[in-house]
Amino acid sequence: EAEVAQSPRYKITEKSQAVAFWCDPISGHATLYWYRQILGQGPELLVQFQDESVVDDSQLPKDRFSAERLKGVDSTLKIQPAELGDSAMYLCASSLAGNRYEQYFGPGTRLTVT
Amino acid sequence: SQQGEEDPQALSIQEGENATMNCSYKTSINNLQWYRQNSGRGLVHLILIRSNEREKHSGRLRVTLDTSKKSSSLLITASRAADTASYFCATDAMDSNYQLIWGAGTKLIIKP
Repeated sequence: EAEVAQSPRYKITEKSQAVAFWCDPISGHATLYWYRQILGQGPELLVQFQDESVVDDSQLPKDRFSAERLKGVDSTLKIQPAELGDSAMYLCASSLAGNRYEQYFGPGTRLTVT
Repeated sequence: SQQGEEDPQALSIQEGENATMNCSYKTSINNLQWYRQNSGRGLVHLILIRSNEREKHSGRLRVTLDTSKKSSSLLITASRAADTASYFCATDAMDSNYQLIWGAGTKLIIKP
């Protein structure tokens, strides 16, 4: 069964350093999502792509976060510089075509900023 | 902003019992989805119910949707230890401009 791949699974970094996460969605899925999840809370959408275009990045802290999906397939989320408050689980998900369909999640990247 | 709110926040039951979780939301929706998350893992899709549907089943799961009350319930029958997880509802609101809105989840513990 096809899965969403994410790497790394765990990342420890010092504050002010740069960190990057990678996501490879299920083949053929046009929509890709990056979420941040703090322990005990629901996922918070950071950015949503439709193919290579951003359709929603209203919750993305653009002074330090950036995301790209250049060829409309895999995607990278970057944080520079990392802050202590960025410690969280970063989840990538994909769906066939938007919110009318179920989302398939990767295993996530657990980020710890020290 | 949070559209969906799950109730209760936490639920602990004996194995074999039924578990019911509720989700309330604020605005009209296109669909509502339920997801499960095991500790420290990604989320797994359980059921999607559309606004014109009232009930859906999948194995031991039963989801109902009452659009007049803006609420949904997830029933897990004959619970098992493996059902221990957090359960989230997510709504595709009609005025959400693409964004799926998530609740804070119900933490379910099944005691052996």
